Amino acid sequence: GNSVTQMEGPVTLSEEAFLTINCTYTATGYPSLFWYVQYPGEGLQLLLKATKADDKGSNKGFEATYRKETTSFHLEKGSVQVSDSAVYFCALSALGTSYGKLTFGQGTILTVHP
Amino acid sequence: EPEVTQTPSHQVTQMGQEVILRCVPISNHLYFYWYRQILGQKVEFLVSFYNNEISEKSEIFDDQFSVERPDGSNFTLKIRSTKLEDSAMYFCASSEGTGKNIQYFGAGTRLSVL
Repeated sequence: GNSVTQMEGPVTLSEEAFLTINCTYTATGYPSLFWYVQYPGEGLQLLLKATKADDKGSNKGFEATYRKETTSFHLEKGSVQVSDSAVYFCALSALGTSYGKLTFGQGTILTVHP
Repeated sequence: EPEVTQTPSHQVTQMGQEVILRCVPISNHLYFYWYRQILGQKVEFLVSFYNNEISEKSEIFDDQFSVERPDGSNFTLKIRSTKLEDSAMYFCASSEGTGKNIQYFGAGTRLSVL
């Protein structure tokens, strides 16, 4: 079946540090890949997405590239801010095999200190 | 910006009781979903709903669970006889379509079964 694996957390960084959160996946076919973010007390919000190999999703300074050869979709940001503190979820949606259900990784808690 | 709303934010119930979790999806969306997250674990797919019927369900979604769209705006998840292991955060989501379409999530209902 489909699965998503994220790096273990929590991750603690100082402001302006470089962020990488690793995500790898297993899926049949060609899934769409997503990063969702959950701020305290809120629902999951889409951060970025990529729908085919070599696509780069980007938003709010975050980037992730769909790497089919390594089945990865790592999240990066060059300079994190305190306001980036949240839980980050990598997810996939397997096209053509389901009504769009998302398969999530376990989530990574990011804390950014001033 | 349109949003998915869930009520209540926190529900406490006794084991064996029935609970109904409520969601108001975004008005022009056609696909509806429930997910749950047990504390410390992954967000898991429960069920998807389209055209007034279940389109897919996971093995978690057994006979104790049901979903309904009783009117043009609400989407509910009912658990007939709650168990301790049903304690989790339940998320509702909706999308215009499947696959590449974005799923928008509510803030969740925390269900505590005592």
